Amino acid sequence: SSELTQPPSVSVSPGQTARITCSGDAMPKKYAYWYQHKSGQAPVLVIYEDTKRPPGIPERFSGSTSGTTATLIITGAQADDEADYHCYSTDINGNHVFGGGSTLTVL
Amino acid sequence: EVHLVESGGGLVQPGGSLRLSCAASGFTFSAYWMHWVRQVPGKGLAWVSRINGDGEESSTRYADAVKGRFTISRDNAKNTLYLRVNSVRADDSAVYYCARGLRSGATFYFDYWGRGIQVTVSS
Repeated sequence: SSELTQPPSVSVSPGQTARITCSGDAMPKKYAYWYQHKSGQAPVLVIYEDTKRPPGIPERFSGSTSGTTATLIITGAQADDEADYHCYSTDINGNHVFGGGSTLTVL
Repeated sequence: EVHLVESGGGLVQPGGSLRLSCAASGFTFSAYWMHWVRQVPGKGLAWVSRINGDGEESSTRYADAVKGRFTISRDNAKNTLYLRVNSVRADDSAVYYCARGLRSGATFYFDYWGRGIQVTVSS
């Protein structure tokens, strides 16, 4: 199956914009999804179908895509946004693929 | 409110078996695909298996790493999803999550997850 590549870590200061990328060959043809995962808690869907935000997810979370890269954008990052973020998609064969996860630090 | 609660994990010896359960509430369980996803500490998430809302065996799919050893099933009368894990290996040690599935065209994704249950394979 194809791979999705994420940076292992991203750091920003409070109030700055955090961008977490996810690269994969199938990205131009398949939607990207993003999950926020805090230790010991259930993962939470924060972006679906590249750019859509589920009900209850703060407006500071947004998504974009360009070519083979999807990006999760957190505008005005807060301390509460510290978590692991996982991108997800399917490859051209329909296999479920997750990125390796990115740890966001806000300090 | 959607709730998914996993149980049945623990310590199991290599070659052993266990059955994971996922109790669902807050939605019409039989209307949704359900999935198992796992995470080895320090690594990313990895999809394990899926089953449709009717629990049809023909709908089940498995990751190559678990094919032939794991069996997914569900009891819609009990609102419960299962994962039978046989012939466990050290690399099956992980936190196992159940997740509710949605479809966007031909793409499956997951909108709600449980908190996960630890499975540790060790002698």
